[in-house]
Amino acid sequence: EPEVTQTPSHQVTQMGQEVILRCVPISNHLYFYWYRQILGQKVEFLVSFYNNEISEKSEIFDDQFSVERPDGSNFTLKIRSTKLEDSAMYFCASNQGHFGEAFFGQGTRLTVV
Amino acid sequence: AQSVTQPDIHITVSEGASLELRCNYSYGATPYLFWYVQSPGQGLQLLLKYFSGDTLVQGIKGFEAEFKRSQSSFNLRKPSVHWSDAAEYFCAVGDGGGGADGLTFGKGTHLIIQP
Repeated sequence: EPEVTQTPSHQVTQMGQEVILRCVPISNHLYFYWYRQILGQKVEFLVSFYNNEISEKSEIFDDQFSVERPDGSNFTLKIRSTKLEDSAMYFCASNQGHFGEAFFGQGTRLTVV
Repeated sequence: AQSVTQPDIHITVSEGASLELRCNYSYGATPYLFWYVQSPGQGLQLLLKYFSGDTLVQGIKGFEAEFKRSQSSFNLRKPSVHWSDAAEYFCAVGDGGGGADGLTFGKGTHLIIQP
């Protein structure tokens, strides 16, 4: 069964450092998403990406964040200068299109120290 | 703005007993509703979804959910739980059928199964 894969599963970084979280969406999917879940809180939408551009973003997705689909298969989330409050589980998801099911990856746990 | 409330943070059920997980949503138009499950160390897996039509929807693993517009609810049910159902359950609402628009999730309900 096709699946969304995320790497790494856990990343520890120092405050102020840049991190890149990587995702390989399902190959024939058209929409790509990043969500995050701070420990003990709800899963929150960050951004959606379609046709090589951002379709929608939440207020969480500020200038510190960026997304890219550099090579047609990977979908990355970059955090430019990490803060302690960026510590969370980050989920990537992909969807074939409207009324389709969003498939989620297993998540990357980011710990900022 | 849309929102989802899952009033129960933890629920404990005996194996073989029935289960109902509550979900209430706030949304101005016809919502698109989802239930996801997250097992430890796993990603989010879709259990079922409601877009339109029959208000009782069947999902995987023996789960079902009923959309009640008058109560703004989309409760998840299972007639007989198994130990493998122990997991975190998330209700979510979307306004685009899962396309460009992101989903709004509830905080989740942690299901514990007693032997």
